[in-house]
Amino acid sequence: DTGVSQNPRHKITKRGQNVTFRCDPISEHNRLYWYRQTLGQGPEFLTYFQNEAQLEKSRLLSDRFSAERPKGSFSTLEIQRTEQGDSAMYLCASSLGVGSGNTIYFGEGSWLTVV
Amino acid sequence: AQSVTQLGSHVSVSEGALVLLRCNYSSSVPPYLFWYVQYPNQGLQLLLKYTSAATLVKGINGFEAEFKKSETSFHLTKPSAHMSDAAEYFCAVSEMTGSASKLTFGTGTRLQVTL
Repeated sequence: DTGVSQNPRHKITKRGQNVTFRCDPISEHNRLYWYRQTLGQGPEFLTYFQNEAQLEKSRLLSDRFSAERPKGSFSTLEIQRTEQGDSAMYLCASSLGVGSGNTIYFGEGSWLTVV
Repeated sequence: AQSVTQLGSHVSVSEGALVLLRCNYSSSVPPYLFWYVQYPNQGLQLLLKYTSAATLVKGINGFEAEFKKSETSFHLTKPSAHMSDAAEYFCAVSEMTGSASKLTFGTGTRLQVTL
């Protein structure tokens, strides 16, 4: 069990640029989640996948945000035309199974700073 | 809609003293409840979870929490604080019904441990 891996860990970008974050879940975990965490707040749910299917994306913050999990393994989160308000930590998590009580394991996050 | 409220954004205790971090939940269906810990610049680590079995849940690092339906609470305790316990603690809730394991987090409580 190598844990949930995210990269890059830190990204500084200029406003208007596009950024992409990658998440590698724990092997064999069929569920993958993206959360956003701003300073002084708890993580906020964005979207999740069951294998390669994106089952909920209504919480993605705007149409500038998109996520994919093409082969049901790793996932990417892309933010287009970044704005300063996008500065936050983006957390990926994964879990095994479909029960709501299954443990969700988080990665160490990807920090985004938009200047 | 489900939610959690963490009372006290900052808690300071002396090393060896009792730790008590408060969490109250709101849910229209029986909840699953979780406590996560976050160390600086890191992701979240699960401390413990309540999934409708025993109401007193024991977790890692000597922490435990008690589910009290009558008080809609799930407070986190540890008998004796250690310097290494200094971190941010998040309470979270997910709905027991349905297939989605989305977690809704509180705003967090920063625990400071002093000598």
